[in-house]
Amino acid sequence: GENVEQHPSTLSVQEGDSAVIKCTYSDSASNYFPWYKQELGKRPQLIIDIRSNVGEKKDQRIAVTLNKTAKHFSLHITETQPEDSAVYFCAASGSTDSWGKLQFGAGTQVVVTP
Amino acid sequence: DGGITQSPKYLFRKEGQNVTLSCEQNLNHDAMYWYRQDPGQGLRLIYYSQIVNDFQKGDIAEGYSVSREKKESFPLTVTSAQKNPTAFYLCASSRDSREQYFGPGTRLTVT
Repeated sequence: GENVEQHPSTLSVQEGDSAVIKCTYSDSASNYFPWYKQELGKRPQLIIDIRSNVGEKKDQRIAVTLNKTAKHFSLHITETQPEDSAVYFCAASGSTDSWGKLQFGAGTQVVVTP
Repeated sequence: DGGITQSPKYLFRKEGQNVTLSCEQNLNHDAMYWYRQDPGQGLRLIYYSQIVNDFQKGDIAEGYSVSREKKESFPLTVTSAQKNPTAFYLCASSRDSREQYFGPGTRLTVT
């Protein structure tokens, strides 16, 4: 089955700097890669996703890049703000025998200091 | 925050007791999922259901059971066979097997 690894496990950045989180996946048939943000005690919320027919996607200060050959994808947050502090999870889905199943990474705790 | 609800928010049980967690959605989504989240770990899939009256085991189904008698509802029972039931449980639903919407979660403590 699919295996997703996420790095780093914690990331501390100064407000205004950029943050980058990287994930690798094992199943070359995976074709959907969402990123979720979870604030303390809250539900995970989708912030951006990308499908395997696209190499990059941007939404304001957030971008995701996908390298299918290397089987890795990354989340980029620019001009970080204190409200970006949260745990971020990557996930992968789409193998033919796992319809709808998401395999999650272990998460990255992002701390943005003013 | 509407659309998918879980109750209760906090649940306390004694070891050896079965407990059922509720999950309801009014999004008309076909697929529903149950995840378990432990501190410092990602979400692990317990069970999922693509349509009414059908469900599949996820990665950590042992000690859990589910039912899907209605499209809107996907309750999870944590049985006494689950060795370490204390965790944060999240329910999710999706329309097209891609974007999943999560409920607010139930924090279960078993002593």
